[in-house]
Amino acid sequence: AQKITQTQPGMFVQEKEAVTLDCTYDTSDQSYGLFWYKQPSSGEMIFLIYQGSYDEQNATEGRYSLNFQKARKSANLVISASQLGDSAMYFCAMREENTGGFKTIFGAGTRLFVKA
Amino acid sequence: SAVISQKPSRDICQRGTSLTIQCQVDSQVTMMFWYRQQPGQSLTLIATANQGSEATYESGFVIDKFPISRPNLTFSTLTVSNMSPEDSSIYLCSVDGPRYEQYFGPGTRLTVT
Repeated sequence: AQKITQTQPGMFVQEKEAVTLDCTYDTSDQSYGLFWYKQPSSGEMIFLIYQGSYDEQNATEGRYSLNFQKARKSANLVISASQLGDSAMYFCAMREENTGGFKTIFGAGTRLFVKA
Repeated sequence: SAVISQKPSRDICQRGTSLTIQCQVDSQVTMMFWYRQQPGQSLTLIATANQGSEATYESGFVIDKFPISRPNLTFSTLTVSNMSPEDSSIYLCSVDGPRYEQYFGPGTRLTVT
């Protein structure tokens, strides 16, 4: 079963507008971490934001915020005031316990296009 | 955050040959991770490499195909053996940050012809 689901293969947003990228997850663990990463066309993977399962407040990092709804098992990324440089692939990820330790699993990704 | 370098940045290899990818971290870390990203796909964990012990491989990946070395706390290598065109991917190494976020190297873009 898919653990991380990103249902939007591609999204368009007008420059300076806000955009929400959806992510739902599946876990039976009580303690877990949720992450968003950005991958520009250059291929590098850039960590954006983290939300712990016990955190009561939604995480924010500059123009990025994570809309965490634990009961719904969703962790949507909100990018405010989109910029052309935000055009990239965005991956939602979850840290979960694995045999022998922990591992991070990634969703399929959402490609964001910012229009001028 | 850790600074991670990888060599080579890209390579074109013939099928049946092997390529060793190096990953260097600027600080000592317990675990290093190797991922594969096939064209247009997400990241898939190949294995976790702890210093001083055998790497732990994920389902679908075997040591004979992807041998890993971890000789010290700042360095690891991944070898892609007996390559086929299906091995054409980006290979990334990563380490944990303080909240278990992943910090990645720039990746090695491998094309197998």
